[in-house]
Amino acid sequence: DAGVIQSPRHEVTEMGQEVTLRCKPISGHDYLFWYRQTMMRGLELLIYFNNNVPIDDSGMPEDRFSAKMPNASFSTLKIQPSEPRDSAVYFCASSFDRVDNEQFFGPGTRLTVL
Amino acid sequence: SQQGEEDPQALSIQEGENATMNCSYKTSINNLQWYRQNSGRGLVHLILIRSNEREKHSGRLRVTLDTSKKSSSLLITASQAADTASYFCATDGARLAFGKGNQVVVIP
Repeated sequence: DAGVIQSPRHEVTEMGQEVTLRCKPISGHDYLFWYRQTMMRGLELLIYFNNNVPIDDSGMPEDRFSAKMPNASFSTLKIQPSEPRDSAVYFCASSFDRVDNEQFFGPGTRLTVL
Repeated sequence: SQQGEEDPQALSIQEGENATMNCSYKTSINNLQWYRQNSGRGLVHLILIRSNEREKHSGRLRVTLDTSKKSSSLLITASQAADTASYFCATDGARLAFGKGNQVVVIP
């Protein structure tokens, strides 16, 4: 298996633009997680899905952030409009069977908002 | 929710030395996991220890768990330059809760 796949790996955009981050979880995994990592705040859970259904989105910073999982092999995290404070590394992770099982992380998307 | 807290937060050692880092948590757990993050990469699972286990080994890694003190330690023996990374503990519950990370620098 190729592991968790994220795209793009790097994204540089200007304030106000829409940003879409993509994730393909490991086949067969039924949990998908979106995290944000910054030096100041560390690793933050934004939202997680179980069987394509959002279960906990309490970590989503504000309405500018939205996430979808239209099928078991694809998820998106969208920021619209983007702001400089959204600059961070965004990770997608997946796990099998239980929400607290071992998580497999993707390589991350480094987002820079100018 | 529970959250692991690693201590110390930064550690610099010579290659070949041992590195020890600690993690404390607040509430009861079923298991505790340790992850490693190399610079610019995603987290990688290292080891899981269950609440009924006191010690677990994996290669050069040794993890201990003291549920009475709500703490865990990760020991890396005979460190190598490739061990330079951040190390996170994560506790189970409603979801995995990651600590802030513990940066280890191994000097060749």
